[in-house]
Amino acid sequence: DGGITQSPKYLFRKEGQNVTLSCEQNLNHDAMYWYRQDPGQGLRLIYYSQIVNDFQKGDIAEGYSVSREKKESFPLTVTSAQKNPTAFYLCASSIVRESEQYFGPGTRLTVT
Amino acid sequence: AQTVTQSQPEMSVQEAETVTLSCTYDTSESDYYLFWYKQPPSRQMILVIRQEAYKQQNATENRFSVNFQKAAKSFSLKISDSQLGDAAMYFCAYRGYGNKLVFGAGTILRVKS
Repeated sequence: DGGITQSPKYLFRKEGQNVTLSCEQNLNHDAMYWYRQDPGQGLRLIYYSQIVNDFQKGDIAEGYSVSREKKESFPLTVTSAQKNPTAFYLCASSIVRESEQYFGPGTRLTVT
Repeated sequence: AQTVTQSQPEMSVQEAETVTLSCTYDTSESDYYLFWYKQPPSRQMILVIRQEAYKQQNATENRFSVNFQKAAKSFSLKISDSQLGDAAMYFCAYRGYGNKLVFGAGTILRVKS
C-alpha cells in the first residue's frame, strides 16, 4: 500500500523540550511538505523540500527545523523556541513541486 | 501575496439536497490552480476537485462540481445529492507561480438526516 505515514497520531510534551514528528512516504515523491493547522485557520506551510538534502522555509518556519537525508523521510523538529507549538501537524508529498499534494493522517501535538 | 477567503464558517444541508460552498481569492497572476480539499473527522486531507485557471469549463467529479468565475475571482463548490459522508471541513486552496498552496480558513459542512 502506497501512502504517507505520520507517527504518532497524538504526542504530548512538556514545555522546553524539543520534539520530532515523523513523516515517511513510499510514493517515490520528490517533494515533501510540513503544514500546521490551528482551529479556525487553514493550513500554513512550515517547511518544504524538493529534493534530498535540500529544503526551504515556508511562511511560519521560526521555531522549527527539518532534515531530508532520505527521499522517503522528512522529519520535523519542534524546538523550544516555538512559542505556541500545540497544533495539528500535517505532512504532504508530491511527485514534483508542481504536482498534486497528498497528505498524511497528521499528528496532534500538545505541549503543556 | 495571494489570499483565499471562505466567508461561510459553517453550512448545513439536508441529506439528498444540494449545497454550495463559497470561496474567493485575490491574485495578480494569470495562470494558477484552484482546489477544494475535504477534511473529515479523521482529519485526513482529501483532494475533492481541482480547476486550472486557463480552462473555461468548470470541473466536475461525480456529485461535486465547481463554479469558476475568473474575472470575479470566485470558486464555489456545489455538492449535489448530499450524503452523510460529506460532512467535513472543506478547504479552498490556491496554487500559483510559486507552487505554494494557500488555504482558506475552511467551512464546516453539517449534513442532516
